[in-house]
Amino acid sequence: QKEVEQNSGPLSVPEGAIASLNCTYSDRGSQSFFWYRQYSGKSPELIMFIYSNGDKEDGRFTAQLNKASQYVSLLIRDSQPSDSATYLCAVDGDYKLSFGAGTTVTVRA
Amino acid sequence: DADVTQTPRNRITKTGKRIMLECSQTKGHDRMYWYRQDPGLGLRLIYYSFDVKDINKGEISDGYSVSRQAQAKFSLSLESAIPNQTALYFCATSGGGGSNYGYTFGSGTRLTVV
Repeated sequence: QKEVEQNSGPLSVPEGAIASLNCTYSDRGSQSFFWYRQYSGKSPELIMFIYSNGDKEDGRFTAQLNKASQYVSLLIRDSQPSDSATYLCAVDGDYKLSFGAGTTVTVRA
Repeated sequence: DADVTQTPRNRITKTGKRIMLECSQTKGHDRMYWYRQDPGLGLRLIYYSFDVKDINKGEISDGYSVSRQAQAKFSLSLESAIPNQTALYFCATSGGGGSNYGYTFGSGTRLTVV
């Protein structure tokens, strides 16, 4: 399995602020990168994927990828209490995903 | 009905017992996976299967076995359960080609070995 590291958190942000999540990976050959959101006791759900360098935006979420630096990030704009969850970074390798340990985000009302 | 169904949802078993966790899917995906999740360790791959005749070990397969009974069914067995196998277990499926092949997860099985 490939190594995937995430900032450990927990991350606490006020409502309306930007939450910034970071992820680094070890396999330079990885092509696809995913962000999953997981509420406590629930299964992970896919919120973003990215495979080209640069930014990808979907609503309040922006994923950023820099393959040269082996770095992928997720920005959550206008954070809402419903964004409080654990965010998992995942990296592909031969159709298998390797996951980071996750970053727990708490949005303060 | 859920696309990926895991049974049971919760299970408490004793050390040394054999237990099977079942997973079935209606998505028509060829690829199926079993992961376990422990606090602070993220999801770790136990076994995976890319079709009915293909079974592969993941990073933590010791103490586990699997069976791919059909395209839609992939079961995980603990031959002799031990307490450090207490965890949340997820089945996942993946289909299609290209780079956006993200997983669909089942609801999970919370297993406690006492």
